[in-house]
Amino acid sequence: KNQVEQSPQSLIILEGKNCTLQCNYTVSPFSNLRWYKQDTGRGPVSLTIMTFSENTKSNGRYTATLDADTKQSSLHITASQLSDSASYICVVSRGNTGKLIFGQGTTLQVKP
Amino acid sequence: GAGVSQSPRYKVAKRGQDVALRCDPISGHVSLFWYQQALGQGPEFLTYFQNEAQLDKSGLPSDRFFAERPEGSVSTLKIQRTQQEDSAVYLCASSLDKGRRPRETQYFGPGTRLLVL
Repeated sequence: KNQVEQSPQSLIILEGKNCTLQCNYTVSPFSNLRWYKQDTGRGPVSLTIMTFSENTKSNGRYTATLDADTKQSSLHITASQLSDSASYICVVSRGNTGKLIFGQGTTLQVKP
Repeated sequence: GAGVSQSPRYKVAKRGQDVALRCDPISGHVSLFWYQQALGQGPEFLTYFQNEAQLDKSGLPSDRFFAERPEGSVSTLKIQRTQQEDSAVYLCASSLDKGRRPRETQYFGPGTRLLVL
């Protein structure tokens, strides 16, 4: 059973539009939640890290939210650009072990 | 170097062949991680080193998988008698300090894409 579930699996949007990606998790105990961007053929790159006490974190046009009560997170991308085309992976760190549990990712394609 | 590097970038192996995948972490990074990423999936943890000590190898799928980091820098992931289900991208990541702290960022390499025929 996947402990980190992401939706949608894939998404196509037009350049300049906004979009929101969802992440639900059951990982326990929870330490922190991260969003990574993975370009095709590259390793993941960290976008944001949030602990349970933080409910929003921004990095440029990327804004992540976290609701630790409902165990949900979202990643909002504003004014999308062609370079935003990538896979976005939600990652939850488990307790004191620091072990990272990865979601399967959402593949975003931004079209001109 | 400026980032984590891995070699080879691509490897095609015949079933039963042994392979060795190399990871060069960011200079000075204490922690090193190996992950396996199947097509269309997120990475899955394989093993973790702090300097030369392998502190967690709970994710290694079988005893055909072996990892080492003898001098606390470069690491090698070895897969013996490869099988088709071993086909995946193998990612290496490093972090500056003890990688299991809550906010520690892991920096990923580009991965080695292994195809077992």
